[in-house]
Amino acid sequence: DVKVTQSSRYLVKRTGEKVFLECVQDMDHENMFWYRQDPGLGLRLIYFSYDVKMKEKGDIPEGYSVSREKKERFSLILESASTNQTSMYLCASSFFGGTGDYEQYFGPGTRLTVT
Amino acid sequence: AQSVAQPEDQVNVAEGNPLTVKCTYSVSGNPYLFWYVQYPNRGLQFLLKYITGDNLVKGSYGFEAEFNKSQTSFHLKKPSALVSDSALYFCAVSPPLSTDKLIFGTGTRLQVFP
Repeated sequence: DVKVTQSSRYLVKRTGEKVFLECVQDMDHENMFWYRQDPGLGLRLIYFSYDVKMKEKGDIPEGYSVSREKKERFSLILESASTNQTSMYLCASSFFGGTGDYEQYFGPGTRLTVT
Repeated sequence: AQSVAQPEDQVNVAEGNPLTVKCTYSVSGNPYLFWYVQYPNRGLQFLLKYITGDNLVKGSYGFEAEFNKSQTSFHLKKPSALVSDSALYFCAVSPPLSTDKLIFGTGTRLQVFP
């Protein structure tokens, strides 16, 4: 079974703190994704990576950065957390370019609260 | 702009009755289509997909969906609902020129009453 794990299920941080969210997948997937989920807005893509050290902005990258130093690990960084970044963050992974089953596999999510 | 619409925020159905969760999309070409389910405080779980072939696709937990190209729809269905089906359901589309990415709808909460 594909396993995507995220470092924390719940996180509470203060405004202005630097926040790291970690994601690890064990299926040798090339693609990894970070989404945020907000009620009534569905899932919105923050960043996407299709290879080590490669990244592409999604729909809402402002206030976020990412790091992919190893194939299995994709980190989301909030440089200076703000209250409007309070949300559920979901990591996902998939095979690249139709070489696999086209599905994205999701982690359990991190519910981040910024106070 | 490419988009996915789930017109109902919530669908209520009695246990044992058939259920339908609607999804329409606005994407040019032949997209790939997906349904995911999210149980409380959990990540998204894949239910089924349409890539090509038969318009009726079957997935996990007795769910199925029908791809209708002329109506650009991909409605999720189940013949007999269970209380345990109560969850948040997301439709997603993968555009033809960007098959690695997914565009998600806003989600529909399914409530099955005993």
